[in-house]
Amino acid sequence: GDSVTQMEGPVTLSEEAFLTINCTYTATGYPSLFWYVQYPGEGLQLLLKATKADDKGSNKGFEATYRKETTSFHLEKGSVQVSDSAVYFCALISSGSARQLTFGSGTQLTVLP
Amino acid sequence: DAGVIQSPRHEVTEMGQEVTLRCKPISGHNSLFWYRQTMMRGLELLIYFNNNVPIDDSGMPEDRFSAKMPNASFSTLKIQPSEPRDSAVYFCASSFGELAGSYEQYFGPGTRLTVT
Repeated sequence: GDSVTQMEGPVTLSEEAFLTINCTYTATGYPSLFWYVQYPGEGLQLLLKATKADDKGSNKGFEATYRKETTSFHLEKGSVQVSDSAVYFCALISSGSARQLTFGSGTQLTVLP
Repeated sequence: DAGVIQSPRHEVTEMGQEVTLRCKPISGHNSLFWYRQTMMRGLELLIYFNNNVPIDDSGMPEDRFSAKMPNASFSTLKIQPSEPRDSAVYFCASSFGELAGSYEQYFGPGTRLTVT
């Protein structure tokens, strides 16, 4: 079945540091890939997405590239801010189950001033 | 758009009581999802509806849980009787579903349920 493996947290960085959160997946066909962010006390918000190989999703300074050859969708940001502190979830929807998101376990990011 | 609306935001109840959680999806979305989030198990899909019809309820933990979607703008998740192990944050999400490449789901703020 489909699965998503995320880098284990928690991750603690200083403000303006470079961020990478690793995500790899197993899925049938050609899945669509997503990163969601959950701020404290809130629901999940879609951060970015990519629907085919080599697509790059980007939003709010975050980027992730759909790498089919390595089945990866790593999240990166060049300079994190305190306000980026949240839990980040990698997720996929495979072509075989068009409506069901498969989530990774989430990575807690804390950015210190 | 107001986004997905859930009520109540917080619910504290005693074991054995009935609990009803409510969700209003984004207008125009035709798929609706109920999730449960706990520290131990992470995010779990409980059930999802397409065009108001339940499609997959295999994630519903047991018969104490039931969900309905009487129309396109309203859904409920009911727990009867509630137990302390049901304590979690329950999220509702909706999506367009059928539009190719736009299966991303939009989440509500969640209902934090505490059963004592």
